[in-house]
Amino acid sequence: GDSVTQMEGPVTLSEEAFLTINCTYTATGYPSLFWYVQYPGEGLQLLLKATKADDKGSNKGFEATYRKETTSFHLEKGSVQVSDSAVYFCALFVSGSARQLTFGSGTQLTVLP
Amino acid sequence: DAGVIQSPRHEVTEMGQEVTLRCKPISGHNSLFWYRQTMMRGLELLIYFNNNVPIDDSGMPEDRFSAKMPNASFSTLKIQPSEPRDSAVYFCASSRSGGSSYNEQFFGPGTRLTVL
Repeated sequence: GDSVTQMEGPVTLSEEAFLTINCTYTATGYPSLFWYVQYPGEGLQLLLKATKADDKGSNKGFEATYRKETTSFHLEKGSVQVSDSAVYFCALFVSGSARQLTFGSGTQLTVLP
Repeated sequence: DAGVIQSPRHEVTEMGQEVTLRCKPISGHNSLFWYRQTMMRGLELLIYFNNNVPIDDSGMPEDRFSAKMPNASFSTLKIQPSEPRDSAVYFCASSRSGGSSYNEQFFGPGTRLTVL
């Protein structure tokens, strides 16, 4: 079946540090890939997406590149801010999947001033 | 736009009581999802509706859980009887359509349920 594996957290960084959160996937078809973010006390919201191999999704300084050869979609940001503290979820969608999105377990990020 | 609305935001109840969680999806969205989030199990899809019809309820834990969508603007998730292990944050999400294409899911703020 389809699955998403994320690096385990929590991750704690100082402000302006470089961020990488690893995400790998297995899928029965050709998936679209997503990163969702959950700020404290809120629901999840879409951060960025990529729908085909070598696509790069980007938003709010975050980037992730769809790597089919390594089945990965790692999230990166060059300089994190305290306001980036949140839980980040990698997810995939395979066309025709009745269960819609398959989420990873989430990675808690804390950015210290 | 108001976004997905969930009520109540917090619910504390005693074991054995009935709990009803409510969701109003974004107007014009025809797919609705109920999720449960816990530290131990992460984010789990419980049930998914398309055009008010349940499409996939394989994530519903057991017969104590039931979900309905009587119309396009309202859904409920009911737990009867509730147990302490049901304590979690329950999210409702909606999107424009289901089927074979992906459309962004918009999440509500969640209901934090505590069963004592």
